[in-house]
Amino acid sequence: EDQVTQSPEALRLQEGESSSLNCSYTVSGLRGLFWYRQDPGKGPEFLFTLYSAGEEKEKERLKATLTKKESFLHITAPKPEDSATYLCALTTSGTYKYIFGTGTRLKVLA
Amino acid sequence: GAVVSQHPSRVICKSGTSVKIECRSLDFQATTMFWYRQFPKQSLMLMATSNEGSKATYEQGVEKDKFLINHASLTLSTLTVTSAHPEDSSFYICSARKRTTEETQYFGPGTRLLVL
Repeated sequence: EDQVTQSPEALRLQEGESSSLNCSYTVSGLRGLFWYRQDPGKGPEFLFTLYSAGEEKEKERLKATLTKKESFLHITAPKPEDSATYLCALTTSGTYKYIFGTGTRLKVLA
Repeated sequence: GAVVSQHPSRVICKSGTSVKIECRSLDFQATTMFWYRQFPKQSLMLMATSNEGSKATYEQGVEKDKFLINHASLTLSTLTVTSAHPEDSSFYICSARKRTTEETQYFGPGTRLLVL
């Protein structure tokens, strides 16, 4: 059965304290892996799409990487406004539908 | 860009009434749109997938007659909650895909429904 696991479940960082969020998966035929941030009471905001192992994408303080078993979302020198829930989702060769991880709740303290 | 809007953002209705939620892709044509439901502190739960001009495909356990979906154009999909009851109160989010070859979904801001 296809599975997506995000860790940690929750993370508290001091402003400027870099860290990484993990999205590990066991699926039959990964097609795409997607990262989003979601603020309370809002829809998910698109961050990155990764398709191949070894692929990396960056946007401001965020960098997403992908291997054959997991993806990392690296946050460099985070600011309080980076506080949100970060979701990863993926599609497989068997379905176009998203399989979601459970999310990581990030809190960045000033 | 890839902007998706939803209207209304918040709605309160009486039990037994119907509520329509609109989802629009503002700067692209969406061949496929998705409707999700999200409960507090939980992940998104897919309700149905709609392709322009065809009938929606509903997930197991989702009542077709209760949650009517219409995808009349490449930029508009609507979800109508018919004869709403308090247990239908939730956060409804739509998403859209640009083309069938691109799998990234772009989400709307969500609609908070409260049924009294």
